[in-house]
Amino acid sequence: ETGVTQSPTHLIKTRGQQVTLRCSSQSGHNTVSWYQQALGQGPQFIFQYYREEENGRGNFPPRFSGLQFPNYSSELNVNALELDDSALYLCASSPGTGGGDTQYFGPGTRLTVL
Amino acid sequence: AQSVAQPEDQVNVAEGNPLTVKCTYSVSGNPYLFWYVQYPNRGLQFLLKYITGDNLVKGSYGFEAEFNKSQTSFHLKKPSALVSDSALYFCAVRVPWGGSQGNLIFGKGTKLSVKP
Repeated sequence: ETGVTQSPTHLIKTRGQQVTLRCSSQSGHNTVSWYQQALGQGPQFIFQYYREEENGRGNFPPRFSGLQFPNYSSELNVNALELDDSALYLCASSPGTGGGDTQYFGPGTRLTVL
Repeated sequence: AQSVAQPEDQVNVAEGNPLTVKCTYSVSGNPYLFWYVQYPNRGLQFLLKYITGDNLVKGSYGFEAEFNKSQTSFHLKKPSALVSDSALYFCAVRVPWGGSQGNLIFGKGTKLSVKP
């Protein structure tokens, strides 16, 4: 069974640029959630996708957007990058959206904005 | 507002001694509670969760956690610590209702250091 994978591992961008991060969910999982983890902080919820539709969103501006594909993989897009967007971006997949469904995390993408 | 507190930034334990990493939460109703561990430059690994039932939950790598509703706590424990347990531990709560049902709310994390 393949776990959650993310690409790329590291990324360096400059302010104002756009970035796309990718996530492949664990086999059998139809739900993907994205989190931002700033240095020294706990992860913060960005949004969740279930069956290709956004199923909930945290307190992030619209320049953070996402997609989920028919194979349940997902993308996180960030436009007009700001210095504060520098963080570890974590993707998590789960077998459903139920409260008790465990979210399994990928290794993350480290984004640095200069 | 829902929140999770991990009151200790760091916990230091000698190898072989019991360890406790504390977590308290503030939510309305009955939450679902989770513990994750993060090793340097890695994602989060699931340890255990409380949904309902027995207040003592057993998880991976010999860890367990006790749910205490009256104290709104969910402390992580292990009877005998290993040096390899040294990592960053996160407590999280999920509120299974509202407009953001996928939302795991995390504490700030507790760094566990186990010395030989």
